[in-house]
Amino acid sequence: NAGVTQTPKFQVLKTGQSMTLQCAQDMNHNSMYWYRQDPGMGLRLIYYSASEGTTDKGEVPNGYNVSRLNKREFSLRLESAAPSQTSVYFCASSEARWGNQPQHFGDGTRLSIL
Amino acid sequence: GEDVEQSLFLSVREGDSSVINCTYTDSSSTYLYWYKQEPGAGLQLLTYIFSNMDMKQDQRLTVLLNKKDKHLSLRIADTQTGDSAIYFCAESINNDMRFGAGTRLTVKP
Repeated sequence: NAGVTQTPKFQVLKTGQSMTLQCAQDMNHNSMYWYRQDPGMGLRLIYYSASEGTTDKGEVPNGYNVSRLNKREFSLRLESAAPSQTSVYFCASSEARWGNQPQHFGDGTRLSIL
Repeated sequence: GEDVEQSLFLSVREGDSSVINCTYTDSSSTYLYWYKQEPGAGLQLLTYIFSNMDMKQDQRLTVLLNKKDKHLSLRIADTQTGDSAIYFCAESINNDMRFGAGTRLTVKP
């Protein structure tokens, strides 16, 4: 039972490079999320997709784009990476975007931008 | 304040009880969650409590909710070395999830 799978697990980029972080879930969940985790801070929501075909900005969307490719997959793209985007990125999913639906997390992508 | 607040560190001895505290922001929060994060892993849901409850117990875990003070706590009985991790408190407001910065629990033998 894979749950939420993120690739890659680690990545080092140079400033200005672009890359896409991949996320897939096998729980038939409707809602998916991208967060970043920085030291001493809680998770901050970058973007979410409440259902297939929709995406919305979260708390810190600048510098990122997302694509809900299908119900299973939700990707996060950095078009021109900046050192401030060095972070650990988590993808999560939930059955629906309601308060009583807990989110299930992947193991994270550790991204360093030099 | 506007942040979900937790103390950053807690150290206990194996076999003792651990109590991790959290102050959340919004009295209209419907659900409050505790997640556990082990090194190199994502967040794992431990338990959650609906806002009309005062307490929830699940094996070694006890969650207490004080709505008046917007205070949530997680008690781990008979703490084991395997409980060493970061524990995140989170609140659900209008379908958004807001997380605290996490409390790093260290369990000493």
